Amino acid sequence: GAGVSQSPSNKVTEKGKDVELRCDPISGHTALYWYRQSLGQGLEFLIYFQGNSAPDKSGLPSDRFSAERTGGSVSTLTIQRTQQEDSAVYLCASSFHAVQYFGPGTRLLVL
Amino acid sequence: KNEVEQSPQNLTAQEGEFITINCSYSVGISALHWLQQHPGGGIVSLFMLSSGKKKHGRLIATINIQEKHSSLHITASHPRDSAVYICAVEMDSNYQLIWGAGTKLIIKP
Repeated sequence: GAGVSQSPSNKVTEKGKDVELRCDPISGHTALYWYRQSLGQGLEFLIYFQGNSAPDKSGLPSDRFSAERTGGSVSTLTIQRTQQEDSAVYLCASSFHAVQYFGPGTRLLVL
Repeated sequence: KNEVEQSPQNLTAQEGEFITINCSYSVGISALHWLQQHPGGGIVSLFMLSSGKKKHGRLIATINIQEKHSSLHITASHPRDSAVYICAVEMDSNYQLIWGAGTKLIIKP
């Protein structure tokens, strides 16, 4: 399809391991966003990219979190040394103008 | 005080009722978004507003920039409208969206 895709759809990992989440935005969308939704919480902004650069990294919860985007397309969100509180649904969205189109999310469970 | 406040937090209504969800914000914005999140499902963008009123099917969204307030209305509500409705504002200084906590709507048949 032509929507935003994310992989994996589900990830179970052990505390302390690193995980990498992938987002494939809609082709031609210059802006890409990462959000997190923890159980019972609202959506939390993490980072956004305009092209390959990330002018706003203020939402990343700790230095264990990093993200990159290459070729103005695919983005990866990496969480190092995962903790149980990292368990959440990680959502990616892309936009060309202001309307954001969301992917299905990656459900991360840290045991 | 949160920069984006929604009310009510929870709303249960009977099928056919007219629904109103409110959103107030305290920052300068370039646009306001209404989104819908189904249980266990993805998020759908319903409206993006910068002024006035928009209508799509049974959904109507309005915004009053001077009062910093927006409303989402659902006419002739149906059980399939049951979802969490989220108001998010786009700050006029950057692309970041500030989210409201959401309104959980349940429409009973």
